[in-house]
Amino acid sequence: QSALTQPASVSGSPGQSITISCTGTSSDVGSYNLVSWYQQHPGKAPKLMIYEGSKRPSGVSNRFSGSKSGNTASLTISGLQAEDEADYYCCSYAGSSTFYVFGTGTKVTVL
Amino acid sequence: QVQLQESGPGLVKPSQTLSLTCTVSGGSISSGSYYWSWIRQPAGKGLEWIGRIYTSGSTNYNPSLKSRVTISVDTSKNQFSLKLSSVTAADTAVYYCARGTMIVVVGAEGDYFDYWGQGTLVTVSS
Repeated sequence: QSALTQPASVSGSPGQSITISCTGTSSDVGSYNLVSWYQQHPGKAPKLMIYEGSKRPSGVSNRFSGSKSGNTASLTISGLQAEDEADYYCCSYAGSSTFYVFGTGTKVTVL
Repeated sequence: QVQLQESGPGLVKPSQTLSLTCTVSGGSISSGSYYWSWIRQPAGKGLEWIGRIYTSGSTNYNPSLKSRVTISVDTSKNQFSLKLSSVTAADTAVYYCARGTMIVVVGAEGDYFDYWGQGTLVTVSS
């Protein structure tokens, strides 16, 4: 099972909106509404930002939103802030043989 | 507030077995609909799911690691553990334990990782 494909880097200015794509296949992203997104600052553990494709855990800013179309999931960060600079990973359930596959990761830079 | 903490040797020799334990505090490992997972991350690289255990003892493993991985749970100590055998330098990574909250959607039962340990670096070297 290959990793989900994410752009290596995305950048934006403070206040702007950016979108990170996560492309899988009909065996993972396309088959299940079980995509989650994680934010990871350097040297820290990942933090859950989105689950079930578009749901936000308590305490996560509503500037973060998720969506899915076909085999591609997306994470949008609106009103970009300096603290949003981090690595972001998507993760999808991939069936009862493979279980979970993560994305390749995207480095978000706030200009 | 649930907290997870990994512990174990930071250095393992090639061909030996890597053993890590995750201690859960702030809640019982037996309560609720949760899976308990191990996830790793080589330096400068992405995340890789290793496997998970339910408190019933039921396990699921990444097919690419399945032949070398064993995950077990000790409910009396509120801990779960990872053993990875026949390690090589490619197994050098930060190892995280994580709680997975179970969700059921059409066609599948999965989880999402809502609490993570801080991670522990394991280096495989002679």
